[in-house]
Amino acid sequence: GAGVSQSPSNKVTEKGKDVELRCDPISGHTALYWYRQSLGQGLEFLIYFQGNSAPDKSGLPSDRFSAERTGGSVSTLTIQRTQQEDSAVYLCASSPHGVAGYNEQFFGPGTRLTVL
Amino acid sequence: AQSVTQLDSQVPVFEEAPVELRCNYSSSVSVYLFWYVQYPNQGLQLLLKYLSGSTLVKGINGFEAEFNKSQTSFHLRKPSVHISDTAEYFCAVNKAAGNKLTFGGGTRVLVKP
Repeated sequence: GAGVSQSPSNKVTEKGKDVELRCDPISGHTALYWYRQSLGQGLEFLIYFQGNSAPDKSGLPSDRFSAERTGGSVSTLTIQRTQQEDSAVYLCASSPHGVAGYNEQFFGPGTRLTVL
Repeated sequence: AQSVTQLDSQVPVFEEAPVELRCNYSSSVSVYLFWYVQYPNQGLQLLLKYLSGSTLVKGINGFEAEFNKSQTSFHLRKPSVHISDTAEYFCAVNKAAGNKLTFGGGTRVLVKP
């Protein structure tokens, strides 16, 4: 079946502009995660959604970052007033269940964000 | 808090030779352990995971890993690599009731003919 999809695959923007990154999880997966992969920081957790529960936003690096998940499916990560240090690959993952640390997370191909 | 250290950032290896990728972790609570692989321009794919039981875990593509609780290690091995194993490999942990993976810095494997 279809895996996790992300769009766009590449995004180039100018410093100060807002960007939106989209994630379509695997159908039926209740948990959705956003991670950031950058040269300096490696792979970092950003935010986690599980069903109708309040999201875990503990990994968001600043208040310029926000995310929402509509209808328990598609998620959008928004970065306002982008900075050059936001340049990274943003990875989305989903899993069939939420709070169970043994679950495999299925990753999308990522969105490469470049802030000029 | 958990942390993961991958001791080698790059590992060059010849085709059909064995490879070992080292991973050490630190955690004050019990964790589950994972190895993911990332091929060029792709997302991460699960190779194998350790939850409990036998400390030797077998995964896809001929990879295996051994959990060593006393040394807090989870090293990944493959007895004979192929060109197609060229990729970046990430060790990760998650708490038992956790909702996020904590990753190591990654090990880039370059298989040479």
